[in-house]
Amino acid sequence: DIQMTQSPSSLSASVGDRVTITCRASQSISSYLNWYQQKPGKAPKLLIYAASSLQSGVPSRFSGSGSGTDFTLTISSLQPEDFATYYCQQSYSTPRVFGPGTKVDIK
Amino acid sequence: QVQLVQSGAEVKKPGASVKVSCKASGYTFTSYDINWVRQATGQGLEWMGWMNPNSGNTGYAQKFQGRVTMTRNTSISTAYMELSSLRSEDTAVYYCARDIVATMGSSWFDPWGQGTLVTVSS
Repeated sequence: DIQMTQSPSSLSASVGDRVTITCRASQSISSYLNWYQQKPGKAPKLLIYAASSLQSGVPSRFSGSGSGTDFTLTISSLQPEDFATYYCQQSYSTPRVFGPGTKVDIK
Repeated sequence: QVQLVQSGAEVKKPGASVKVSCKASGYTFTSYDINWVRQATGQGLEWMGWMNPNSGNTGYAQKFQGRVTMTRNTSISTAYMELSSLRSEDTAVYYCARDIVATMGSSWFDPWGQGTLVTVSS
């Protein structure tokens, strides 16, 4: 099975900060990488699919990059509604493993 | 709009089974696989398996093989996930999600159901 790791596991940031979250796969997954945002008590929400495609309705301050084994989610200017946990997920093969998550909270 | 609506919270005793439903609306139910993902309190997302509503074909994570069954009723656009031999470690929120597959082979989950809390307690 492909293993997914994320770093950092948590971070504290201020409104307006640029935030970068990294996701790494244990083997090459081409661009088969998705990012989800989850707020407490809510279902995950798709942000980025196929490594760099922005889901419709998602603000343009979110962007994704990478291919192969290393991927990045960037929030260019953190907004109050962005405080949440972010998960990456590989869709290269089953099982469709998720990363352990990165919690972004208020500094 | 496209949405998945799940059944309500369940409380079960150890050793029992639970069946969670996921009703789809706003799209052709048989055109997209349904996946199931669970999340224990304070933990991450754990993929359980997938089902093709058109064929009924399924694929399960090794961890749940023999204990999970995913089925559907196409006449009411509803998918089901049944988990048997419940233990306390199965206490979690269970989500269904529609699997979108792009032409180039990429796929992603959107939307997700609202989640169903299953509590296993004696």
